[in-house]
Amino acid sequence: NAGVTQTPKFQVLKTGQSMTLQCAQDMNHNSMYWYRQDPGMGLRLIYYSASEGTTDKGEVPNGYNVSRLNKREFSLRLESAAPSQTSVYFCASSNGLLATNIQYFGAGTRLSVL
Amino acid sequence: AQKITQTQPGMFVQEKEAVTLDCTYDTSDPSYGLFWYKQPSSGEMIFLIYQGSYDQQNATEGRYSLNFQKARKSANLVISASQLGDSAMYFCAMRGGNTGNQFYFGTGTSLTVIP
Repeated sequence: NAGVTQTPKFQVLKTGQSMTLQCAQDMNHNSMYWYRQDPGMGLRLIYYSASEGTTDKGEVPNGYNVSRLNKREFSLRLESAAPSQTSVYFCASSNGLLATNIQYFGAGTRLSVL
Repeated sequence: AQKITQTQPGMFVQEKEAVTLDCTYDTSDPSYGLFWYKQPSSGEMIFLIYQGSYDQQNATEGRYSLNFQKARKSANLVISASQLGDSAMYFCAMRGGNTGNQFYFGTGTSLTVIP
C-alpha cells in the first residue's frame, strides 16, 4: 500500500534556485495538502486543494506555488528559494474537507536552502 | 480562533506501563475532529486515533485510547503497555467543521520509553 508518495526525500538548494516537490496519492482522495514542519512547531498549512482543479492558500503560502495536476498529484513549487524555507515538507491527502476526514501523510521532504 | 495546546514537551515512561499525553483545544465550531499522530525518528507522520466531537464514547485503537472530555476541551492520548517502539514525537491535531481545510497541530510531546 503506497498511500501518499513524496519525492524527493532530501534536497539541498542554493538561495535563489527553484525546485518542485512532487506528491502523489493512490487512495482516490479528493483533497490534498502541503505542510511545512519547523523545529519545535507542529505542522503549518501552506496550500491545499479541496478537489481536482481547485487550490487555496493556507496559513503560510508566501514564496510557494502549487499545481493540482490531476486527482492523484499535487506539486509544490519554490520559485526562488530562501534560507527561511529550510524545513521538512509534508504532503497529505484526505477524502474531503469534513472535520471527520482523516488526513494521511507522506514520508516528508527535508529541504535545506543555503 | 482554533488552537491546540500540548503542555508536555517531553515524557518518560517505563516499558509496559501506561502513559497519558495531554492535549487541550479551543474552538467555537460545534462540529470538529480530534486526531493524534505519531512521528518516529524516521520522520513520517503516522495516524493513530480519531475522535469526533459528537461521538458519545471515547475512541480506542488497540493500545491507544483517547480520553475525550468535551466540557474541559481536552483530548488526552493514553498508551497502555508501553513498548520501546512507542518512543517518538506525538502530535495532537484538530480539524473544525467550519474550517475543515486545515488541521491545527500542537507543538508535540516527545515520549521516551525506558527499558
